[in-house]
Amino acid sequence: GQQLNQSPQSMFIQEGEDVSMNCTSSSIFNTWLWYKQDPGEGPVLLIALYKAGELTSNGRLTAQFGTTRKDSFLNISASIPSDVGIYFCAGRNYGGSQGNLIFGKGTKLSVKP
Amino acid sequence: DGGITQSPKYLFRKEGQNVTLSCEQNLNHDAMYWYRQDPGQGLRLIYYSQIVNDFQKGDIAEGYSVSREKKESFPLTVTSAQKNPTAFYLCASSRPGDEQFFGPGTRLTVL
Repeated sequence: GQQLNQSPQSMFIQEGEDVSMNCTSSSIFNTWLWYKQDPGEGPVLLIALYKAGELTSNGRLTAQFGTTRKDSFLNISASIPSDVGIYFCAGRNYGGSQGNLIFGKGTKLSVKP
Repeated sequence: DGGITQSPKYLFRKEGQNVTLSCEQNLNHDAMYWYRQDPGQGLRLIYYSQIVNDFQKGDIAEGYSVSREKKESFPLTVTSAQKNPTAFYLCASSRPGDEQFFGPGTRLTVL
């Protein structure tokens, strides 16, 4: 099945640093979602984006729907230890399987206190 | 509280046995989904159901079966035909075309 290219695969940062990750697709998406997964738990929705160019914040998190509709970015400012986890992007292309989500492989974030 | 529950949290199975994973939601969502997650991989869709008594295969349906007899419930059976069933299984639900919300997952280990 179709997959998104999510990068980087992993990040090791110092507490207080900012974090950036992104996802790209070969096809146009109508929706971009960002999830966070803690170890051994299900993903939790962080931010949903529905419009090209849209910039949405959720606390220290900011995500953008790329203007080409083929990419999305997630930034975390002033990271803290509880930001540790795996971040997944997901996109929906209504030309695909009845609008099902397509997931990236995740970015594993480690934060050193 | 509204949400999605999966049981059990951990499941051990002997080779050759079928096993059923439970997923229940009280969010009144029409659509439900099953995903498989392997280390370092994204989520791969096994089966999905947009409405009661109807379901479709996802990308990796071989060796799995589902039923959708009630809106609230979407159990997944991992059959003996699934060659490599050890994985983390996630259930999700949504309004049609809306964001998906996930349960806490079931970790299946084949002994």
